[in-house]
Amino acid sequence: GQNIDQPTEMTATEGAIVQINCTYQTSGFNGLFWYQQHAGEAPTFLSYNVLDGLEEKGRFSSFLSRSKGYSYLLLKELQMKDSASYLCAVNSGYSTLTFGKGTMLLVSP
Amino acid sequence: NAGVMQNPRHLVRRRGQEARLRCSPMKGHSHVYWYRQLPEEGLKFMVYLQKENIIDESGMPKERFSAEFPKEGPSILRIQQVVRGDSAAYFCASSIHGGQENTEAFFGQGTRLTVV
Repeated sequence: GQNIDQPTEMTATEGAIVQINCTYQTSGFNGLFWYQQHAGEAPTFLSYNVLDGLEEKGRFSSFLSRSKGYSYLLLKELQMKDSASYLCAVNSGYSTLTFGKGTMLLVSP
Repeated sequence: NAGVMQNPRHLVRRRGQEARLRCSPMKGHSHVYWYRQLPEEGLKFMVYLQKENIIDESGMPKERFSAEFPKEGPSILRIQQVVRGDSAAYFCASSIHGGQENTEAFFGQGTRLTVV
């Protein structure tokens, strides 16, 4: 079966760094995605990892360890607008994505 | 380059009616995916289509739901005889590549279906 786990909620302060973890057990693996979703809006693509290691893109970085079935999304210099749900999703081999339930991040002043 | 376009954004249907949800993929994208999001739940895969073909419908309920992606025009997700449990946000995504080549899928704004 497919199982993707991530924390339900996290809180952080403006300007801080936050790490959102994701663990997965899937029947296949062809890459891991992170999306950001504001309430009532479309998920927006943030990152894609298929090889082990860290991918950095501005304030956002994503890490993958395939042997551990583990990824994290790192957000630096948090801004109020980063308050959103962050979705971890795995392409388990045939293009379709299996999503976790999302982590609701609340950034406070 | 317009993004993935879904319409309507909001749809209200009475129990027993039909709902038709439309999705126009990004220009140049021939792979379309439909997902459903229930309150407090993650996005759940429903169906994956390529022009005129259904590639994977393993997430589609066996009855009342159907999807198509004709050669011309948008992809359509059709729900017949809607019930209250069908109330959800339905998202469409598209990608330029499929299968193992898929490294990025873009989502539309979703259609929020409410069944009363």
